[in-house]
Amino acid sequence: DAKTTQPPSMDCAEGRAANLPCNHSTISGNEYVYWYRQIHSQGPQYIIHGLKNNETNEMASLIITEDRKSSTLILPHATLRDTAVYYCIVRINDYKLSFGAGTTVTVRA
Amino acid sequence: GAGVSQTPSNKVTEKGKYVELRCDPISGHTALYWYRQSLGQGPEFLIYFQGTGAADDSGLPNDRFFAVRPEGSVSTLKIQRTERGDSAVYLCASSLTRDSLGEEQFFGPGTRLTVL
Repeated sequence: DAKTTQPPSMDCAEGRAANLPCNHSTISGNEYVYWYRQIHSQGPQYIIHGLKNNETNEMASLIITEDRKSSTLILPHATLRDTAVYYCIVRINDYKLSFGAGTTVTVRA
Repeated sequence: GAGVSQTPSNKVTEKGKYVELRCDPISGHTALYWYRQSLGQGPEFLIYFQGTGAADDSGLPNDRFFAVRPEGSVSTLKIQRTERGDSAVYLCASSLTRDSLGEEQFFGPGTRLTVL
């Protein structure tokens, strides 16, 4: 699987949008971009995934650049409960999830 | 509905002892995964079951680690002759079938293993 690069940490104000970047410059054509998050003392939780097109669900939006070398996860209105470690993963459609160190997002009141 | 459950939530043992960690997947999920998470790092894949069989155990660090899923539901991760370096959170996840497009892995809360 392609490697990803994420900033180690970022702060966000409650109620504002949080934009989480991820670089995956070596991604291949059949690899998907997945996002999971892990709230303290819990297991990881699936957020969203995409291949080429932008995606949106009830939790977040995923914006993938045209060359697919980077993506941004957008939490439209961050709340204190969104404080977590966010993992960007690129993978072929198989069973292994390869987590990196992720981005620790702290939402502040 | 019930999610993935893991027991115990915490386990403290002494170096050299044997431990068993249990995972109850979501009912009906045929795929089950074990991961290990050391402090400050992301989870690392250990083993994947499809039904009763271990389809991929390439992530198990050595032969002290073994996992079973005899009836295709509950799984047990077994660690023999524990070492201090085995201390970590052991996470279990399940998915409806082999994880594929649109199918997410549902994770349990993990078992925190501490080897003294």
